[in-house]
Amino acid sequence: NAGVTQTPKFRILKIGQSMTLQCAQDMNHNYMYWYRQDPGMGLKLIYYSVGAGITDKGEVPNGYNVSRSTTEDFPLRLELAAPSQTSVYFCASSYPSGGAFFGQGTRLTVV
Amino acid sequence: AQKITQTQPGMFVQEKEAVTLDCTYDTSDPSYGLFWYKQPSSGEMIFLIYQGSYDQQNATEGRYSLNFQKARKSANLVISASQLGDSAMYFCAMREGRGGKLIFGQGTELSVKP
Repeated sequence: NAGVTQTPKFRILKIGQSMTLQCAQDMNHNYMYWYRQDPGMGLKLIYYSVGAGITDKGEVPNGYNVSRSTTEDFPLRLELAAPSQTSVYFCASSYPSGGAFFGQGTRLTVV
Repeated sequence: AQKITQTQPGMFVQEKEAVTLDCTYDTSDPSYGLFWYKQPSSGEMIFLIYQGSYDQQNATEGRYSLNFQKARKSANLVISASQLGDSAMYFCAMREGRGGKLIFGQGTELSVKP
C-alpha cells in the first residue's frame, strides 16, 4: 500500500548542479502534481499533469522541467540549481475529482 | 483567474470548543472542487475533506465539516470539539473542472489550548 513515493527524502546540492526528484504512485491516478513549500509558507504549484504525455506549468515553473511518460511516474528535473530552490518539494496524485494524496516530501538544500 | 485566499494567519481555540477556518475562492469555471488539508509539525499533508461545486449538501467527515456558501464563494472549515492533536497548519485548496490545476491558499496555523 505504497501510495505516493518520493525519492530522495533529503538532498544537498551545490549551486549549478542538476538533479531529478522522483515521484511514483500506485493508485492509477490520472493527475499528478509537483509543489514546493518554503519555510512558513503555503504550497506553490510547479508543474502538473492530467495524464501520460500531458504536462502543464503551474504557478512557479521557472528552473524546473517535468515529463510524464507513464501513468505511474512524474519526475521533476532541476537544472542549474540555485539557492532560491532550497525548499521542501511535494509530489501528489489524484483522480479528476476527489482529494489529492501526497508523498512525504523531499527536503532540498542548495549551497 | 483561479484564486484561493485564507486571511487568518493564526487562530487559537480552547480544547473541546468548535473553530471555523475561513477560505474564499474565485473562479469562472462552474465545475470545481474545494479541499482542506492538515499539515502537522511533522510536515506531511493530510487530506481532510472535499466539496464539489455541484454538491447540494455540505460535506462532513467526522469532526470536520465544510460550510460551503456558493454565492459568497466561501468554503470554511469547521472543526467541532477541538483536540490538542488538531494543532497544525490548515490549507484550503481548489481545483477547476477544466484543466486540473490544484492550487492552495496561504494557510492558517491553528493552536488548540488545553
